Order: sequence, then C-alpha cells, then structure tokens
Amino acid sequence: GENVEQHPSTLSVQEGDSAVIKCTYSDSASNYFPWYKQELGKRPQLIIDIRSNVGEKKDQRIAVTLNKTAKHFSLHITETQPEDSAVYFCAASRSDSSYKLIFGSGTRLLVRP
Amino acid sequence: DAGITQSPRHKVTETGTPVTLRCHQTENHRYMYWYRQDPGHGLRLIHYSYGVKDTDKGEVSDGYSVSRSKTEDFLLTLESATSSQTSVYFCAIRSRGEYEQYFGPGTRLTVT
Repeated sequence: GENVEQHPSTLSVQEGDSAVIKCTYSDSASNYFPWYKQELGKRPQLIIDIRSNVGEKKDQRIAVTLNKTAKHFSLHITETQPEDSAVYFCAASRSDSSYKLIFGSGTRLLVRP
Repeated sequence: DAGITQSPRHKVTETGTPVTLRCHQTENHRYMYWYRQDPGHGLRLIHYSYGVKDTDKGEVSDGYSVSRSKTEDFLLTLESATSSQTSVYFCAIRSRGEYEQYFGPGTRLTVT
C-alpha cells in the first residue's frame, strides 16, 4: 500500500527565516497532495494542496513543489512568524481510491522570536 | 469549519465496553472519513463512507465498525474498547467532485 515519509520530525528556525519540510510517497498513482497545519489541541487545517498536473503552487508565504519522477513533494514557508509554529502533516491520495489520505508522521515547527 | 461536529468531545471508558462516536455534518457532503491520531503516526484512516449505507475499510479498521444511515451522520463504534484504542479521533468530509478534506474538532477517547 501507499506509504508517506516526512522529514524532519522537528524543525526550529529563527523568525524571518525560511522553513522546508519534505515528503516522499511510494504509490506512483497518487495524484493529490495536501498539507495540513495542526495547532496544539486543534483540528488539522488544510493550508495548501497540489495536484499531479502541477509542479508548484504558491499562496502568499507558503508554497508547495512536486517532483513526480522522484515521488517527493515539499512545503516551503518563507518569512516565518511565531504563529507558524505548529505541527505540519503532508498526505497523498489517488482518485481511484475515494481520495483516502495517507499521512506522513508530521513535522513540529518552532519559530523562535 | 465546514459544518462538522463531533460528539462526545471527550470520553473516558473502561476496557471491554462498547463506545460510539458520532460525526455530524450539515452541508450534504457525500464522503465522510474517520481517522485516528496517535503520537508518531500522524493520522490513519479507520473507515470511510461514499454515500448512505456505503462504507469501506481503511488502514486500521480492526476493532472498529461504522454506519451511515443518513447523509449527515457517520457513526464509529468500538464494539469492545481496548487500551490500544486510546486516541484522538477525527472525522473528515469531502464533497463529490472535490479533492479537499476538512476535519471536525476531534474526540479524545481514553480507555482505562
């Protein structure tokens, strides 16, 4: 079955610096890749996603890149702020499986003021 | 928040007792999912539904059953709770033709 690996498990950056989180997936038929942000005690919130027909997508300070050949995708956060501190999850799914999400194990991001 | 509620929000129960968690949505979404979240494992799919009375298993379905008798409610049942089922349970919804899944507020279940 599909497997998603996520690195690093923890990441500490200085406010204003960039943060990059990387995920690899095993199922070459996966075609949808969302990223979720989860604050302590809260629900996962969808922050950005990308489909397999696109190589990059940006939304203000966040961007996601996808390399289908290498089967990996990354989340980039620029000009980090303390409120970016949270746990971030990547996931992968495919259209012929009811878009069941397979999640990575999460990255705890700490932005130091 | 996509009109999703979960009940109860917190529950403590004893090993061997049955437990039912409820996910309720108000926006007529076709697809509903149950995930559990444990430290070091991210979120893992338990069961999902693609319509009324249409359900299927996910990655970690052993020990769980589900039912969906109407569009707005998706029930997750632990027939005989075990300590390994102590977790945070999240429901999610997805609309037909859309990719995005949105999560409910979660239920923290402790089995003693």
